[in-house]
Amino acid sequence: GAGVSQSPRYKVAKRGQDVALRCDPISGHVSLFWYQQALGQGPEFLTYFQNEAQLDKSGLPSDRFFAERPEGSVSTLKIQRTQQEDSAVYLCASSSWPSDTSYEQYFGPGTRLTVT
Amino acid sequence: EDQVTQSPEALRLQEGESSSLNCSYTVSGLRGLFWYRQDPGKGPEFLFTLYSAGEEKEKERLKATLTKKESFLHITAPKPEDSATYLCAVRRVISGGSNYKLTFGKGTLLTVNP
Repeated sequence: GAGVSQSPRYKVAKRGQDVALRCDPISGHVSLFWYQQALGQGPEFLTYFQNEAQLDKSGLPSDRFFAERPEGSVSTLKIQRTQQEDSAVYLCASSSWPSDTSYEQYFGPGTRLTVT
Repeated sequence: EDQVTQSPEALRLQEGESSSLNCSYTVSGLRGLFWYRQDPGKGPEFLFTLYSAGEEKEKERLKATLTKKESFLHITAPKPEDSATYLCAVRRVISGGSNYKLTFGKGTLLTVNP
């Protein structure tokens, strides 16, 4: 079936602009994760949803970052008043866990955000 | 705090030259060690999950092994299409809370020359 999709694939924002990044998880996947990946680094956890509930937002770097998943499927990561340090690739991943014991997370292609 | 260290940072091999990538971890209550492959401009692609010391898994030219302190990704007779960044991640039990987080290493950039 279809994998995780993200849009847009590339986003250029001027410093101070607001941006919204979309994630469509694999159909039926209960868990959804957002990660931030800086150049040359591994992904770093931002936030976790189980269905529509945001169970952990401890990785969000500041209160300018906000995520939602209102109907338990599509999720949006919003960044307000973007700063240069927000430039990174934002990855979304989904998993069928905890509906079953398989914990593997399946990643989308990411959105590359560049703040100028 | 969980620590995941991958070495080397970069590795160049000739086609057919077998080698291993290392992932050392410091985590209590390991609930899985994961290997992913990431191609430029793409998201990580799941390869393996290992749960206990002594476990091994294979897929084509790749074999992952796990000890109590580290994991190895062995690449046998690599081909140029195996060129990618290989990421290691760990999941652990968090007392009193959930155990869903993955902590990633920085990855090893593998280049296989024809």
